[in-house]
Amino acid sequence: DIQMTQSPSTLSASAGDRVTITCRASQNVDIWLAWYQQKPGEAPNLLIYKASILESGVPSRFSGSGSGTEFTLTISSVQPDDFATYYCQHYSGRFRSFGQGTKVEIK
Amino acid sequence: EVQLVESGGALVQPGGSLRLSCAASGSSFSSHQMSWVRQAPGKGLEWVAKIIQDGSEKSYVDSVKGRFTISRDNAKNSLYLQMNSLRVEDTAVYYCARDWRDMTSGRPFDYWGKGTLVTVSS
Repeated sequence: DIQMTQSPSTLSASAGDRVTITCRASQNVDIWLAWYQQKPGEAPNLLIYKASILESGVPSRFSGSGSGTEFTLTISSVQPDDFATYYCQHYSGRFRSFGQGTKVEIK
Repeated sequence: EVQLVESGGALVQPGGSLRLSCAASGSSFSSHQMSWVRQAPGKGLEWVAKIIQDGSEKSYVDSVKGRFTISRDNAKNSLYLQMNSLRVEDTAVYYCARDWRDMTSGRPFDYWGKGTLVTVSS
């Protein structure tokens, strides 16, 4: 099974800060990596797929990069609506798995 | 617009069974793989099971293999999760999610339901 590890687990930031979250896969997942945002009491929302493609309707301050085993999600200037928990997910082959999540908090 | 609506969540005793349903609206249900994802209270997301378009291939996370069965009825635009031998650790909100169509589209989990709560407790 492919394990996904995110860092950090929690991140404190102020509005306007640049925020970067890292996701590492235990095996090569090529570009089959997605990022989701989840707010309390809501279902997750797809932000990025194929490692770097922005989902329609997602603000351009979100970007993704990486391939193989190392990936990053960057928010160029975090806005009040962005304080939430973020998950990476691999989706190659028959199985899927999520990282443990990164909570972005207001500093 | 695709909508996914889960139902069937309940309080059940350890060792019991439950069947979850997910009703999909829109015309694209049969062209997509579908997955179940769960989230224990205060915890992260855990992928549970996936089924391909024609139902001929099913995949599960190790912790539910042999206990849970995913199925679908394309004529009814519906996804199911039969859960047997339930354990306290299966307590979670269960979401159905539209998985990808194929590698060309490459968009996973672009639509989610609001979830249904399963509580396993004596």
